[in-house]
Amino acid sequence: AQKVTQAQTEISVVEKEDVTLDCVYETRDTTYYLFWYKQPPSGELVFLIRRNSFDEQNEISGRYSWNFQKSTSSFNFTITASQVVDSAVYFCALSEDNYGQNFVFGPGTRLSVLP
Amino acid sequence: EPEVTQTPSHQVTQMGQEVILRCVPISNHLYFYWYRQILGQKVEFLVSFYNNEISEKSEIFDDQFSVERPDGSNFTLKIRSTKLEDSAMYFCASSEGGRGPGELFFGEGSRLTVL
Repeated sequence: AQKVTQAQTEISVVEKEDVTLDCVYETRDTTYYLFWYKQPPSGELVFLIRRNSFDEQNEISGRYSWNFQKSTSSFNFTITASQVVDSAVYFCALSEDNYGQNFVFGPGTRLSVLP
Repeated sequence: EPEVTQTPSHQVTQMGQEVILRCVPISNHLYFYWYRQILGQKVEFLVSFYNNEISEKSEIFDDQFSVERPDGSNFTLKIRSTKLEDSAMYFCASSEGGRGPGELFFGEGSRLTVL
């Protein structure tokens, strides 16, 4: 069965600091998909990134970057020069199903960016 | 930008009452989902729906729950006789499906409070 662990329950940083959110997953499948979602205080879930298991290239999108390491089953998320608006709960998720039928979410990491 | 819409945003009900939560997925999407998030906890999969039938459901999705796509646009979640522990945020999501799970597009959620 698949499993997602986000060991950091809460993180606080001061604005402009860099912060990395950890995600470790477990799966027996060779084909799987990893995701990050953001949940701001307003409550909605906002898609950030999808990565499939065959693509280990790291990705950068503005201040966001993701580091996918199959050898350690990790898919970490870094925010560079954090801003107050980055304050949210961030969820890592895993899907083994080719049709995305059953996402498993990690428990989430609450990030607080202080001014 | 197309989005998933959910109604109501918040519903308060008495224990034992029936509740229907409504969702309008993105129009060209083929897969529909309901997820649940108890306050402060992780997002949990309830059910996925494809081609007018349930394709997968979790242990949470017992006989008290049902889903329906009564017309070409709405996707509903019914809780037949609500319990206190059904109090949660319920998220509807949809995806294009096809080769590999695309991103799940989530609605803003319907908060259910059972008294």
